[in-house]
Amino acid sequence: DVKVTQSSRYLVKRTGEKVFLECVQDMDHENMFWYRQDPGLGLRLIYFSYDVKMKEKGDIPEGYSVSREKKERFSLILESASTNQTSMYLCASSLDYSTDTQYFGPGTRLTVL
Amino acid sequence: GESVGLHLPTLSVQEGDNSIINCAYSNSASDYFIWYKQESGKGPQFIIDIRSNMDKRQGQRVTVLLNKTVKHLSLQIAATQPGDSAVYFCANNQGGKLIFGQGTELSVKP
Repeated sequence: DVKVTQSSRYLVKRTGEKVFLECVQDMDHENMFWYRQDPGLGLRLIYFSYDVKMKEKGDIPEGYSVSREKKERFSLILESASTNQTSMYLCASSLDYSTDTQYFGPGTRLTVL
Repeated sequence: GESVGLHLPTLSVQEGDNSIINCAYSNSASDYFIWYKQESGKGPQFIIDIRSNMDKRQGQRVTVLLNKTVKHLSLQIAATQPGDSAVYFCANNQGGKLIFGQGTELSVKP
Protein backbone atom coordinates (compact mmCIF):
# COMPACT_ATOMS: atom_id res chain seq x y z
CA ASP A 1 0.00 0.00 0.00
CA VAL A 2 1.06 3.53 -0.73
CA LYS A 3 1.75 5.49 2.38
CA VAL A 4 1.98 9.26 2.49
CA THR A 5 2.58 10.81 5.89
CA GLN A 6 2.50 14.40 7.02
CA SER A 7 4.43 15.69 10.00
CA SER A 8 1.51 17.21 11.89
CA ARG A 9 -2.25 16.73 11.93
CA TYR A 10 -2.92 20.06 13.61
CA LEU A 11 -0.75 23.16 13.78
CA VAL A 12 -1.35 26.61 15.28
CA LYS A 13 0.98 29.45 14.34
CA ARG A 14 1.05 33.21 14.68
CA THR A 15 1.03 35.77 11.88
CA GLY A 16 4.53 36.35 10.56
CA GLU A 17 5.97 33.04 11.70
CA LYS A 18 7.83 30.79 9.30
CA VAL A 19 6.03 27.47 8.97
CA PHE A 20 7.34 24.16 7.67
CA LEU A 21 5.00 21.35 6.61
CA GLU A 22 6.69 18.05 5.92
CA CYS A 23 5.51 15.20 3.73
CA VAL A 24 7.08 11.77 3.28
CA GLN A 25 6.09 8.96 0.91
CA ASP A 26 7.44 5.44 1.03
CA MET A 27 6.65 4.19 -2.48
CA ASP A 28 9.55 5.66 -4.41
CA HIS A 29 7.17 7.94 -6.31
CA GLU A 30 8.69 10.48 -8.66
CA ASN A 31 6.02 13.13 -8.24
CA MET A 32 4.84 14.95 -5.15
CA PHE A 33 2.22 17.64 -4.70
CA TRP A 34 0.98 20.16 -2.17
CA TYR A 35 -2.67 21.26 -2.13
CA ARG A 36 -4.79 23.33 0.13
CA GLN A 37 -8.45 22.58 0.70
CA ASP A 38 -10.97 25.22 1.70
CA PRO A 39 -14.76 25.03 1.97
CA GLY A 40 -16.42 26.07 -1.25
CA LEU A 41 -13.11 26.23 -3.13
CA GLY A 42 -12.21 22.56 -3.25
CA LEU A 43 -8.61 21.40 -3.64
CA ARG A 44 -6.17 23.85 -5.15
CA LEU A 45 -2.66 22.98 -6.24
CA ILE A 46 0.09 25.06 -4.63
CA TYR A 47 3.30 23.44 -5.92
CA PHE A 48 4.45 20.14 -7.29
CA SER A 49 7.73 18.40 -7.91
CA TYR A 50 8.51 15.75 -10.52
CA ASP A 51 12.06 15.04 -9.39
CA VAL A 52 14.53 15.78 -6.64
CA LYS A 53 15.39 19.48 -6.51
CA MET A 54 12.78 20.22 -9.19
CA LYS A 55 9.65 22.24 -8.51
CA GLU A 56 6.81 23.75 -10.48
CA LYS A 57 4.24 26.32 -9.47
CA GLY A 58 0.65 25.24 -9.25
CA ASP A 59 -2.41 27.45 -9.31
CA ILE A 60 -1.81 29.38 -6.07
CA PRO A 61 1.93 29.51 -5.28
CA GLU A 62 1.96 33.03 -3.82
CA GLY A 63 3.12 33.09 -0.22
CA TYR A 64 4.54 29.57 -0.39
CA SER A 65 7.78 27.87 -1.33
CA VAL A 66 8.81 24.22 -1.44
CA SER A 67 11.87 22.08 -1.04
CA ARG A 68 12.66 18.61 -2.32
CA GLU A 69 16.13 17.53 -1.30
CA LYS A 70 15.31 13.82 -1.21
CA LYS A 71 12.98 11.79 -3.37
CA GLU A 72 10.75 10.70 -0.52
CA ARG A 73 10.37 14.10 1.16
CA PHE A 74 8.58 17.25 0.00
CA SER A 75 8.35 20.28 2.25
CA LEU A 76 5.97 23.22 2.04
CA ILE A 77 7.21 26.48 3.53
CA LEU A 78 5.18 29.50 4.50
CA GLU A 79 7.84 32.22 4.73
CA SER A 80 5.64 34.58 6.75
CA ALA A 81 2.33 33.05 7.72
CA SER A 82 -0.82 35.08 7.29
CA THR A 83 -4.37 34.49 8.49
CA ASN A 84 -5.58 33.78 4.95
CA GLN A 85 -3.29 30.76 4.92
CA THR A 86 -5.42 29.05 7.54
CA SER A 87 -6.47 25.91 5.74
CA MET A 88 -6.22 22.15 5.39
CA TYR A 89 -2.97 21.26 3.61
CA LEU A 90 -2.78 18.00 1.73
CA CYS A 91 0.29 16.32 0.32
CA ALA A 92 0.06 13.74 -2.46
CA SER A 93 2.39 11.58 -4.50
CA SER A 94 2.19 9.66 -7.76
CA LEU A 95 4.37 7.35 -9.78
CA ASP A 96 3.68 8.79 -13.20
CA TYR A 97 2.81 12.44 -13.64
CA SER A 98 0.23 12.36 -16.38
CA THR A 99 -1.28 8.90 -16.28
CA ASP A 100 -1.31 7.87 -12.68
CA THR A 101 -3.47 8.55 -9.69
CA GLN A 102 -2.30 10.67 -6.80
CA TYR A 103 -2.29 9.25 -3.28
CA PHE A 104 -2.93 11.65 -0.44
CA GLY A 105 -1.65 12.01 3.07
CA PRO A 106 -3.95 12.59 6.08
CA GLY A 107 -3.67 16.37 5.90
CA THR A 108 -2.45 19.12 8.21
CA ARG A 109 -5.01 21.53 9.61
CA LEU A 110 -3.10 24.82 9.95
CA THR A 111 -4.52 27.74 11.88
CA VAL A 112 -2.76 31.10 11.69
CA LEU A 113 -3.73 33.51 14.45
CA GLY B 1 -11.75 27.13 -18.23
CA GLU B 2 -11.87 23.41 -17.76
CA SER B 3 -14.04 22.12 -14.98
CA VAL B 4 -15.24 19.01 -13.29
CA GLY B 5 -18.54 19.28 -11.54
CA LEU B 6 -20.84 17.19 -9.45
CA HIS B 7 -24.57 17.31 -9.88
CA LEU B 8 -25.63 17.27 -6.23
CA PRO B 9 -23.84 18.60 -3.16
CA THR B 10 -25.56 16.12 -0.82
CA LEU B 11 -27.05 12.66 -1.11
CA SER B 12 -28.88 10.76 1.60
CA VAL B 13 -29.56 7.03 1.26
CA GLN B 14 -30.90 4.25 3.43
CA GLU B 15 -28.44 1.66 4.69
CA GLY B 16 -28.43 -1.28 2.32
CA ASP B 17 -29.61 0.72 -0.69
CA ASN B 18 -27.43 1.46 -3.69
CA SER B 19 -25.93 4.95 -4.06
CA ILE B 20 -25.20 6.76 -7.29
CA ILE B 21 -22.99 9.82 -7.35
CA ASN B 22 -22.69 11.72 -10.61
CA CYS B 23 -20.02 13.91 -12.12
CA ALA B 24 -19.77 15.93 -15.33
CA TYR B 25 -16.63 17.17 -17.03
CA SER B 26 -16.04 19.68 -19.78
CA ASN B 27 -12.77 18.70 -21.43
CA SER B 28 -13.50 16.15 -24.14
CA ALA B 29 -9.78 15.30 -24.30
CA SER B 30 -9.82 14.04 -20.72
CA ASP B 31 -8.58 10.50 -20.58
CA TYR B 32 -8.21 9.52 -16.95
CA PHE B 33 -10.69 9.85 -14.11
CA ILE B 34 -10.44 9.07 -10.43
CA TRP B 35 -12.94 8.82 -7.61
CA TYR B 36 -11.84 9.75 -4.10
CA LYS B 37 -13.56 9.35 -0.73
CA GLN B 38 -12.82 11.86 2.01
CA GLU B 39 -13.95 11.28 5.56
CA SER B 40 -14.14 14.16 7.97
CA GLY B 41 -10.71 15.40 9.03
CA LYS B 42 -8.85 13.03 6.73
CA GLY B 43 -7.17 13.20 3.36
CA PRO B 44 -8.86 11.95 0.16
CA GLN B 45 -8.64 8.20 -0.24
CA PHE B 46 -8.41 6.61 -3.69
CA ILE B 47 -11.44 4.45 -4.51
CA ILE B 48 -11.34 3.58 -8.17
CA ASP B 49 -10.14 4.98 -11.48
CA ILE B 50 -11.08 4.60 -15.12
CA ARG B 51 -9.41 5.46 -18.40
CA SER B 52 -11.19 6.78 -21.45
CA ASN B 53 -10.78 3.52 -23.38
CA MET B 54 -13.22 1.90 -20.94
CA ASP B 55 -16.93 2.44 -20.26
CA LYS B 56 -17.13 0.60 -16.97
CA ARG B 57 -14.88 -0.59 -14.21
CA GLN B 58 -15.78 -2.52 -11.10
CA GLY B 59 -14.17 -2.76 -7.71
CA GLN B 60 -15.30 -4.09 -4.40
CA ARG B 61 -18.92 -2.84 -4.05
CA VAL B 62 -18.14 0.09 -6.36
CA THR B 63 -18.64 0.58 -10.06
CA VAL B 64 -17.61 3.54 -12.16
CA LEU B 65 -19.36 4.26 -15.45
CA LEU B 66 -17.97 6.61 -18.06
CA ASN B 67 -20.09 8.11 -20.82
CA LYS B 68 -17.78 10.04 -23.12
CA THR B 69 -20.60 11.10 -25.41
CA VAL B 70 -22.20 13.28 -22.76
CA LYS B 71 -19.01 13.74 -20.72
CA HIS B 72 -20.41 12.18 -17.61
CA LEU B 73 -19.22 9.65 -15.09
CA SER B 74 -20.86 8.07 -12.11
CA LEU B 75 -19.86 6.15 -9.02
CA GLN B 76 -22.21 3.43 -7.88
CA ILE B 77 -21.90 2.00 -4.39
CA ALA B 78 -23.74 -1.24 -3.78
CA ALA B 79 -25.38 -2.03 -0.44
CA THR B 80 -24.36 1.28 1.10
CA GLN B 81 -23.08 1.04 4.65
CA PRO B 82 -22.69 3.64 7.43
CA GLY B 83 -18.94 3.54 6.84
CA ASP B 84 -19.54 4.87 3.34
CA SER B 85 -20.62 8.22 4.76
CA ALA B 86 -18.12 10.75 3.43
CA VAL B 87 -17.57 13.35 0.74
CA TYR B 88 -16.91 11.85 -2.68
CA PHE B 89 -14.86 13.67 -5.30
CA CYS B 90 -14.40 12.94 -8.92
CA ALA B 91 -11.11 14.12 -10.38
CA ASN B 92 -9.75 14.28 -13.88
CA ASN B 93 -6.05 14.02 -14.63
CA GLN B 94 -5.37 16.50 -17.40
CA GLY B 95 -1.74 16.21 -18.42
CA GLY B 96 -0.64 15.65 -14.85
CA LYS B 97 -2.85 18.22 -13.24
CA LEU B 98 -5.73 16.87 -11.17
CA ILE B 99 -8.93 18.84 -11.63
CA PHE B 100 -11.33 18.13 -8.77
CA GLY B 101 -15.05 18.45 -8.55
CA GLN B 102 -16.56 20.17 -5.53
CA GLY B 103 -17.67 16.93 -3.90
CA THR B 104 -20.90 15.21 -2.94
CA GLU B 105 -21.56 14.49 0.72
CA LEU B 106 -23.09 11.05 1.14
CA SER B 107 -25.10 10.41 4.30
CA VAL B 108 -26.25 6.90 5.14
CA LYS B 109 -29.37 6.57 7.28
CA PRO B 110 -29.56 3.48 9.53
